[in-house]
Amino acid sequence: NAGVTQTPKFRILKIGQSMTLQCAQDMNHNYMYWYRQDPGMGLKLIYYSVGAGITDKGEVPNGYNVSRSTTEDFPLRLELAAPSQTSVYFCASSRTAANYGYTFGSGTRLTVV
Amino acid sequence: GQQLNQSPQSMFIQEGEDVSMNCTSSSIFNTWLWYKQDPGEGPVLLIALYKAGELTSNGRLTAQFGITRKDSFLNISASIPSDVGIYFCAGQGSNYQLIWGAGTKLIIKP
Repeated sequence: NAGVTQTPKFRILKIGQSMTLQCAQDMNHNYMYWYRQDPGMGLKLIYYSVGAGITDKGEVPNGYNVSRSTTEDFPLRLELAAPSQTSVYFCASSRTAANYGYTFGSGTRLTVV
Repeated sequence: GQQLNQSPQSMFIQEGEDVSMNCTSSSIFNTWLWYKQDPGEGPVLLIALYKAGELTSNGRLTAQFGITRKDSFLNISASIPSDVGIYFCAGQGSNYQLIWGAGTKLIIKP
């Protein structure tokens, strides 16, 4: 069972560079989410999607963009990387909004220098 | 916005000890969830609670949904080395988005 797959696992970016964090799920879940996790902090929601073609901002969307062209894929785009975006990024999916638990990927550790 | 206070921030335990952690909120939640995160991995769901007063077990883990709907606790009995990790609570309100606690880090004393 693949579940939620995130790539890459690690990345170092220079300030001002851009990159796309990939996320794919094979469970046919409608709902997908991007979180960032900073040391000693809980997860902060960046963006979420309730289905293909529909995305919405979470708590901390500034500096990020998303798209959802298929049910399976939910990439997160950083256009102009800043040191404040150094974090661990998690993608998650769920079957419904009435929460029976999210399935998380194993994360992407991003460092911006 | 909604806030969750999770305590303690970290715990040093001896193997075999019982462990207790809790989360409190200023707002009412409809669902409480408890997750565990191992190093280098994403959080994994341990227990989900859907009703005020509900007490649910998963092996050595027991969690309760507080009667006021503003708190929840997680107990681990007879801890073992593989229990180490970070435990997160998460609450879901009426807008279906999850609010996360900051985590409780469990460490085994050598």
